[in-house]
Amino acid sequence: SQELEQSPQSLIVQEGKNLTINCTSSKTLYGLYWYKQKYGEGLIFLMMLQKGGEEKSHEKITAKLDEKKQQSSLHITASQPSHAGIYLCGADIVGNTGKLIFGQGTTLQVKP
Amino acid sequence: DGGITQSPKYLFRKEGQNVTLSCEQNLNHDAMYWYRQDPGQGLRLIYYSQIVNDFQKGDIAEGYSVSREKKESFPLTVTSAQKNPTAFYLCAIKDRGRSTDTQYFGPGTRLTVL
Repeated sequence: SQELEQSPQSLIVQEGKNLTINCTSSKTLYGLYWYKQKYGEGLIFLMMLQKGGEEKSHEKITAKLDEKKQQSSLHITASQPSHAGIYLCGADIVGNTGKLIFGQGTTLQVKP
Repeated sequence: DGGITQSPKYLFRKEGQNVTLSCEQNLNHDAMYWYRQDPGQGLRLIYYSQIVNDFQKGDIAEGYSVSREKKESFPLTVTSAQKNPTAFYLCAIKDRGRSTDTQYFGPGTRLTVL
């Protein structure tokens, strides 16, 4: 079973619509990372959350970490075709080792 | 991240052959990582190194080997013992920020076994 579960696995939205991707763990997360990937390319770092209840935003993307530090959500407001790609959450569940585990990824398509 | 290079971008290997993937960084970071990505499974950690001349096994090290003779280089060898080597391989470095550590990734190498 996956230690870090992402949902949904895939998402198709109309341009301009909002969307949310979730990332859930059964263990406490010492650090939660969100990355974006275009197919066949490396991962681009989006945001990192560490404290319970923390929220960060970059342009139209907002990420939150719940108080228990076991669930994170990534919210995109007014989606654009440039938001299309694979979104991955990664987490440090051991603490300060740099060893990350990853969710399966969420593939996002944005229809113009 | 522009400071991490992986080569080649595409690699083809015949069954039974060893092959080495290159990862170089010019960012002066101590920690480097190798991950494997398969469709629908996210990334899995193969090996990591926190300092020169030292490295540790990750979750799926069987059939792989690494070396860390220089700070800027962390090559990964996929040996003939690796049963399913066809995958996308990603190298990463850890940037130790003032309050948080972040991993940045290279562009990846796609290995195909023929």
